[in-house]
Amino acid sequence: EIVLTQSPGTLSLSPGERATLSCRASQSVSSNYVAWYQQRPGQTPRLLIYLASRRATGIPDRFSGSGSGTDFTLTISRLEPEDFAVYYCQQLAKPPWTFGQGTQVE
Amino acid sequence: QVQLVESGGGLVKPGGSLRLSCAASGFVFSDYSMAWARQAPGKGLEWVSYITGPSSDIDYTDSAKGRFTISRDNAKNSLYLQLNSLRAEDTAVYYCVRANYGFDHWGQGTLVTVSS
Repeated sequence: EIVLTQSPGTLSLSPGERATLSCRASQSVSSNYVAWYQQRPGQTPRLLIYLASRRATGIPDRFSGSGSGTDFTLTISRLEPEDFAVYYCQQLAKPPWTFGQGTQVE
Repeated sequence: QVQLVESGGGLVKPGGSLRLSCAASGFVFSDYSMAWARQAPGKGLEWVSYITGPSSDIDYTDSAKGRFTISRDNAKNSLYLQLNSLRAEDTAVYYCVRANYGFDHWGQGTLVTVSS
């Protein structure tokens, strides 16, 4: 099983600041099958990034993904009020399709 | 637009069974792999199972193997998850998701509570 470890657990920032979220895999994720999700309180998760760096439909360009192998990053260039949420990474290269434990941006 | 609507959740005693259903619309259902994910109260996300479009490939997380069964009916645009031998730790909101290099569409979820 590929274990994903997200850091930090909580990120305390202000609107307009840059957020950098990390996701480290216990083994290499082939073909960069890594996705990132946003979950606002009381809402269902929303796909932000797939294949490590491709933005999903309708996702603003302030969200970007990067990385390969075992280290992946989600960057939010300038935080908007609606971006304060929990973010999860996921690998879909090899079942079980594991999620990280989440990073809360507050 | 893509819509996924789950049903079938509820309160069940340990050892009991439930069948979750997901009605899909707004896309060619048979073209896509589908999956179930769950989220226990106050916890993170967990993938449960997936099934490819023609049902040729199926897999489960370890805790679901031997207890849960995923299936689909492409003629009815429907996805199912049979939950047997339920345990307290299966209590969660179960989401039906479309799997397309990521879970690109999610239903609103159906709550399964396992308690005596």
